[in-house]
Amino acid sequence: TQLLEQSPQFLSIQEGENLTVYCNSSSVFSSLQWYRQEPGEGPVLLVTVVTGGEVKKLKRLTFQFGDARKDSSLHITAAQPGDTGLYLCAGTYNNNDMRFGAGTRLTVKP
Amino acid sequence: DVKVTQSSRYLVKRTGEKVFLECVQDMDHENMFWYRQDPGLGLRLIYFSYDVKMKEKGDIPEGYSVSREKKERFSLILESASTNQTSMYLCASTPQGFSSGANVLTFGAGSRLTVL
Repeated sequence: TQLLEQSPQFLSIQEGENLTVYCNSSSVFSSLQWYRQEPGEGPVLLVTVVTGGEVKKLKRLTFQFGDARKDSSLHITAAQPGDTGLYLCAGTYNNNDMRFGAGTRLTVKP
Repeated sequence: DVKVTQSSRYLVKRTGEKVFLECVQDMDHENMFWYRQDPGLGLRLIYFSYDVKMKEKGDIPEGYSVSREKKERFSLILESASTNQTSMYLCASTPQGFSSGANVLTFGAGSRLTVL
């Protein structure tokens, strides 16, 4: 059973468009991380959020942690082909159990 | 930068063969992990180790075993490979346990195993 639900599973957009990816759980996270995985490589950490309501920006990427720490979103502004990849959220629960979402596969077409 | 190296990027094995997947990290990390990654299922934890010669089962340990004889090396063993073990296998490490986001996983590039 997947404790983390990511949506959408697939997303194909044109260069310059904006997009949002969601990560939801019925349980409270002690922290949440977003990773990006390119083909043939392992996931690489983008950001960690810890505090409810926290917002972090990484260039054109904006990460938000829900007030109740049960959900998170990743917003990309003016997507570039280099943003193409698999985006994974990973939540750590209070018992130090860490779970991954199934991922959102993003394709940005030139 | 921490480096996690998985020696075999691609393997093709036959049903019933014994398979060794090797993982080495070079930053003296305490914890090491083996995940498998399948489309639509995300990453699922097979085994992890928090110290030399110590191991803990993850969510899907059946059909797998592990070995950690040295701190830097964590091996995943498939005693008798089956076709349902065809997957991408990812090794990862962290300096210490997860605690309020204090540690993050550093992954290797993955080992894609095909069992015929």
